[in-house]
Amino acid sequence: EAGVAQSPRYKIIEKRQSVAFWCNPISGHATLYWYQQILGQGPKLLIQFQNNGVVDDSQLPKDRFSAERLKGVDSTLKIQPAKLEDSAVYLCASSFPGGGETQYFGPGTRLLVL
Amino acid sequence: GEDVEQSLFLSVREGDSSVINCTYTDSSSTYLYWYKQEPGAGLQLLTYIFSNMDMKQDQRLTVLLNKKDKHLSLRIADTQTGDSAIYFCAVLKHNNNDMRFGAGTRLTVKP
Repeated sequence: EAGVAQSPRYKIIEKRQSVAFWCNPISGHATLYWYQQILGQGPKLLIQFQNNGVVDDSQLPKDRFSAERLKGVDSTLKIQPAKLEDSAVYLCASSFPGGGETQYFGPGTRLLVL
Repeated sequence: GEDVEQSLFLSVREGDSSVINCTYTDSSSTYLYWYKQEPGAGLQLLTYIFSNMDMKQDQRLTVLLNKKDKHLSLRIADTQTGDSAIYFCAVLKHNNNDMRFGAGTRLTVKP
């Protein structure tokens, strides 16, 4: 079974630029999550989708962050404009409802904002 | 305090047992997880325990849950150098939507 795919793996941008990350969850997983992991910290949930609907985006900085999952499969997370403090690893995870809510994580996208 | 707390560092000798501890605040947490993160990689699910269990064993891994004290531990028997990584404790809050992670414990295994 293929795991959660993410791209790009690394991205370096200057502050005020825009960036987008892509995630392809495990086949059949209806729930998709985006996390932000700042160096030295545990992951923090940004947004959770169930199919193509948003379940929880209470911790998403909506003035600059946006995410979509139009067809209920792949998802993109965008930051516009980026700030220095957005430097982090952005992790995508997916889960199959009823599977103990166990989340499976992708390798992450490491973002550096200069 | 934080929802989930872990000590930041643990160092053991190869072949010894490692015990990584975690405390959490939400007594209605349903599932509790241990994830492993190696450098430059995503989080790998090691094991999880449902809140109505107090112990789970899976090969070299033993998870103990003390619901009264809201304390979770992960014991790794016969620790190997390949076990060196950051270990995250995570708890799923009662509404089943919100998973909270600790800051991670960096395990170093010395030969």
